[in-house]
Amino acid sequence: NAGVTQTPKFRILKIGQSMTLQCTQDMNHNYMYWYRQDPGMGLKLIYYSVGAGITDKGEVPNGYNVSRSTTEDFPLRLELAAPSQTSVYFCASSYSGGEGYGYTFGSGTRLTVV
Amino acid sequence: AQSVTQLDSHVSVSEGTPVLLRCNYSSSYSPSLFWYVQHPNKGLQLLLKYTSAATLVKGINGFEAEFKKSETSFHLTKPSAHMSDAAEYFCVVSGGTGGFKTIFGAGTRLFVKA
Repeated sequence: NAGVTQTPKFRILKIGQSMTLQCTQDMNHNYMYWYRQDPGMGLKLIYYSVGAGITDKGEVPNGYNVSRSTTEDFPLRLELAAPSQTSVYFCASSYSGGEGYGYTFGSGTRLTVV
Repeated sequence: AQSVTQLDSHVSVSEGTPVLLRCNYSSSYSPSLFWYVQHPNKGLQLLLKYTSAATLVKGINGFEAEFKKSETSFHLTKPSAHMSDAAEYFCVVSGGTGGFKTIFGAGTRLFVKA
C-alpha cells in the first residue's frame, strides 16, 4: 500500500520556468490537498479538491494551478516560477474533509527557484 | 474563526525525561484536534486525534494528549523521551461548517539530548 506518492523529490527551476508536481494516492480518498511548508511558518494550503472535477483555492493559490481528472491524481502546476515559490510542497489526502480522520501525507517535493 | 497556537517553537529535553509540547486552539465549533510528527526530510505522520470522544487520547510511540475545553488546550505529552522522538510536531485544528477549515500550527521542534 503506497499511500500518497509525490514526484519529483527535488527540483531546481530557473525563474520563469514552469513545472508540474505530481501526486497520486491509492486509498480511494475523495479529498486531496496541496500545502507548502516554509521554515517556521507551518503549512499553508494552496489548493484542495473534494472529488474528481472539483477544486478550490486555499490560503495561498497565486502562481499555482491544479486539476483533478481522477480520484487518484492531483497535480500541481507552477507557471512562471518565482523565487518566492522556493519551498517544500506536500500533497495529502483524506477520507473526508479531515475532521475526525486526519490526513495522509506524501514525502514532499523540495523546490528551489533560482 | 479557528486558530491554533503552539506555544513553543523549540523544546529541548534529555533522553528519559518527560516531554510536553503545548498547543492552544480557538474554534467557534466543537473541533477535531490532531498532532502530527515530521522527521527530517519526511512527510507528516498522524500521531493522534481527538474527535469528541474520550478527552485523553493515546497515540503512537507512547504519546498522548488531553483535550481541555475550559483551557482550550490540547497539549502533547510523553513520559520518557527517546532519541528517535527528535522531530517537528504540528498541532492541527479542524472543523466547522462552510468552506475549508483545517489550520496547522507553526510547529514545535523537539530536541532530545543524550
